[in-house]
Amino acid sequence: QKEVEQNSGPLSVPEGAIASLNCTYSDRGSQSFFWYRQYSGKSPELIMSIYSNGDKEDGRFTAQLNKASQYVSLLIRDSQPSDSATYLCAVSPSGGSYIPTFGRGTSLIVHP
Amino acid sequence: EAGVAQSPRYKIIEKRQSVAFWCNPISGHATLYWYQQILGQGPKLLIQFQNNGVVDDSQLPKDRFSAERLKGVDSTLKIQPAKLEDSAVYLCASSIGTGQETQYFGPGTRLLVL
Repeated sequence: QKEVEQNSGPLSVPEGAIASLNCTYSDRGSQSFFWYRQYSGKSPELIMSIYSNGDKEDGRFTAQLNKASQYVSLLIRDSQPSDSATYLCAVSPSGGSYIPTFGRGTSLIVHP
Repeated sequence: EAGVAQSPRYKIIEKRQSVAFWCNPISGHATLYWYQQILGQGPKLLIQFQNNGVVDDSQLPKDRFSAERLKGVDSTLKIQPAKLEDSAVYLCASSIGTGQETQYFGPGTRLLVL
């Protein structure tokens, strides 16, 4: 059973701070990693994808991947109240059929 | 570009009744996914289609759930008979292919089984 683990939170940070969200996965064959944001009552939307070890930056968001440690994280710099949402980590193997496994998500609250 | 469409948005049924959900993916997207998201959990893949063929349905409870994608475009997901534990949001998503492409999610159908 492939597992993706996330702390359910909530993670509470003040406005302007860095929010750090973490995800571990069990399948060493995983090759594709995704972070989705899901506002309450809405559907998930993709924020970042990462496929290689290291960091990938996109605006205020940085995804970090460490395949040896089976660990992927998302950093949100200068957090805003509008970033308050549940962040879902999704992991999938390489090639063939793309069968993603989602974590349960981490709830982030950014307070003014 | 229109997004993924789903209907109905909400459905309330009694247990043992049947229900069907409809999904229209983004035009040109070959791959369609149905997910079940129970409150407080991440989405769980139920079935994945590429065009009108099933790629994976290993997590679909086949004794009560069925899905089809006729002509490789629209898809329907049916539950018959429904159980209380089927109460969830049913999300449809589509992507261009089956590689590492982005999945685009529809608004979901919220199902409550009483």
